[in-house]
Amino acid sequence: SAVISQKPSRDICQRGTSLTIQCQVDSQVTMMFWYRQQPGQSLTLIATANQGSEATYESGFVIDKFPISRPNLTFSTLTVSNMSPEDSSIYLCSVDVLGTQYFGPGTRLLVL
Amino acid sequence: KQEVTQIPAALSVPEGENLVLNCSFTDSAIYNLQWFRQDPGKGLTSLLLIQSSQREQTSGRLNASLDKSSGRSTLYIAASQPGDSATYLCAVRNPGAGSYQLTFGKGTKLSVIP
Repeated sequence: SAVISQKPSRDICQRGTSLTIQCQVDSQVTMMFWYRQQPGQSLTLIATANQGSEATYESGFVIDKFPISRPNLTFSTLTVSNMSPEDSSIYLCSVDVLGTQYFGPGTRLLVL
Repeated sequence: KQEVTQIPAALSVPEGENLVLNCSFTDSAIYNLQWFRQDPGKGLTSLLLIQSSQREQTSGRLNASLDKSSGRSTLYIAASQPGDSATYLCAVRNPGAGSYQLTFGKGTKLSVIP
């Protein structure tokens, strides 16, 4: 299994600003994943972050809007840039361990 | 493109009842299927993982079945308790080199009434 922590747990931000979300895992993992869950919707994968290489973004998500860092095998950050109210969501970090995906507690973001 | 549907969207039952949550998917060529629980405003907790070669998995009062050919999975909860109240999400993973993407359903919101 894997234990994942995220910071902050929630935040309220003004439009046009940026927020960086941190994800820490209790073991070394090759890939880390960032998901978004918009109000009333299910989870959508934003990108996959590998250590030592550029993140891979899913259709509809771009690096300029959601830059990701992966400095080592236990840590990653996701930045939500130039925020608008449409970015209000829960952002979740996830890892895969032997085929099972584990999720962090999420970061609840409200953009005013 | 894989699509996952969960029915019903919401369910309310009295404490002690047995219940079944349904999940269907359009592409039967899956690698595995995972059931999660999500409490309000929280992250996801993995409940059960079923590999494509398996028919069911059990954990305590939970039993998940998989019928890959028909594109269906069910989550059976026995003797429901108020603490089971949460949203239950089904997610499938499709095979492919380096493919780790999960496709999620929208979930079933379960309320167990004391």
